[in-house]
Amino acid sequence: NAGVTQTPKFQVLKTGQSMTLQCAQDMNHNSMYWYRQDPGMGLRLIYYSASEGTTDKGEVPNGYNVSRLNKREFSLRLESAAPSQTSVYFCASSERGSGTAFFGQGTRLTVV
Amino acid sequence: DQQVKQNSPSLSVQEGRISILNCDYTNSMFDYFLWYKKYPAEGPTFLISISSIKDKNEDGRFTVFLNKSAKHLSLHIVPSQPGDSAVYFCAASPLSNSGYALNFGKGTSLLVTP
Repeated sequence: NAGVTQTPKFQVLKTGQSMTLQCAQDMNHNSMYWYRQDPGMGLRLIYYSASEGTTDKGEVPNGYNVSRLNKREFSLRLESAAPSQTSVYFCASSERGSGTAFFGQGTRLTVV
Repeated sequence: DQQVKQNSPSLSVQEGRISILNCDYTNSMFDYFLWYKKYPAEGPTFLISISSIKDKNEDGRFTVFLNKSAKHLSLHIVPSQPGDSAVYFCAASPLSNSGYALNFGKGTSLLVTP
């Protein structure tokens, strides 16, 4: 039972570089989310996708783009990385209407 | 503006005693509440939830209490065990929202000492 799988687990980027964080879930969930966790800040929503084909901004969307590639996959792209984007990124999924989200293991990103 | 607040960044409890973690929320539209547990270098894992039609939900050693009038919920762990040492996040959701995205508090780090 893989659940929610994120790749990569660790990444170091230079300022200005771009990269895509990948997320896939095998629970047939409709909704998927990207959160970032910073020390003392809890988990903040970046973008979410309520269902395949839709995406919406969360609390902290600036500097990010997302793609809901299909029902299983939801990617997060940093077009021009900045040191302020150094964080741990979590992908999550939930069944629409259930309220309970299941999280991946996280991607620790450092921008230097 | 933080809509879910956990005002205690840390809590230390002796093994066998009760741990009480508190959470307050400001948004009246929230009607589903959850607690997540997080170990270092792992993703948050779902622990227990409660909907606004209830005031208590129990699962083994874990009980969540909801006081809607005070916009307050708490997680009780009895008895506490060293393996419970983790960061606990309170989360809330307005199920009527199309995305059902969870709003999280900043977390409380629980340390259970032997």
